[in-house]
Amino acid sequence: AQSVAQPEDQVNVAEGNPLTVKCTYSVSGNPYLFWYVQYPNRGLQFLLKYITGDNLVKGSYGFEAEFNKSQTSFHLKKPSALVSDSALYFCAVRDVPYSARQLTFGSGTQLTVLP
Amino acid sequence: DVKVTQSSRYLVKRTGEKVFLECVQDMDHENMFWYRQDPGLGLRLIYFSYDVKMKEKGDIPEGYSVSREKKERFSLILESASTNQTSMYLCASSFPDRAVAEAFFGQGTRLTVV
Repeated sequence: AQSVAQPEDQVNVAEGNPLTVKCTYSVSGNPYLFWYVQYPNRGLQFLLKYITGDNLVKGSYGFEAEFNKSQTSFHLKKPSALVSDSALYFCAVRDVPYSARQLTFGSGTQLTVLP
Repeated sequence: DVKVTQSSRYLVKRTGEKVFLECVQDMDHENMFWYRQDPGLGLRLIYFSYDVKMKEKGDIPEGYSVSREKKERFSLILESASTNQTSMYLCASSFPDRAVAEAFFGQGTRLTVV
């Protein structure tokens, strides 16, 4: 079985400060990890994914994520937060590379960037 | 850009009604999905389709059915709507399973059953 945990329901950060949204996972095989963002009243938008290789993955809108196998984590980061980054963020995982149906989502973290 | 379009942003239906949620994608994706999003629960897969007329149950299929008569269109059907089906419904599509592909989502339909 596979699972994803987003331990923080809410993260607040001041504009200009670095932000981190945490994600830990549990899979039986190799993890394939994704981050999505959801703006109010909108669908999910893909930010980035980790398949293999470099542990630091760069994505859209200046976001990056660091894969840490020993800690089974895939935290989302941005060096300098913008008010427009305020949104709901979802981490997702699967342990089968070629089966999109097996994707498991976390419960989401609401990020608020304060001006 | 991939576009996944859901026919309604907001719907209000009465208990017992038959409800149709429509989704169309323009990228010729083989895979299409219906998810339900509830606060604190994340996204849960209702049904999945990997080809025309093909479907598989997801994690929470009870009370729902789907139809995929054309590759670009995937419909979710609530046979007899109930108040516990009040939720945000998200449609998604992706390339076939041979790729480590991300899913592309529609804007969501917020359904209220009264």
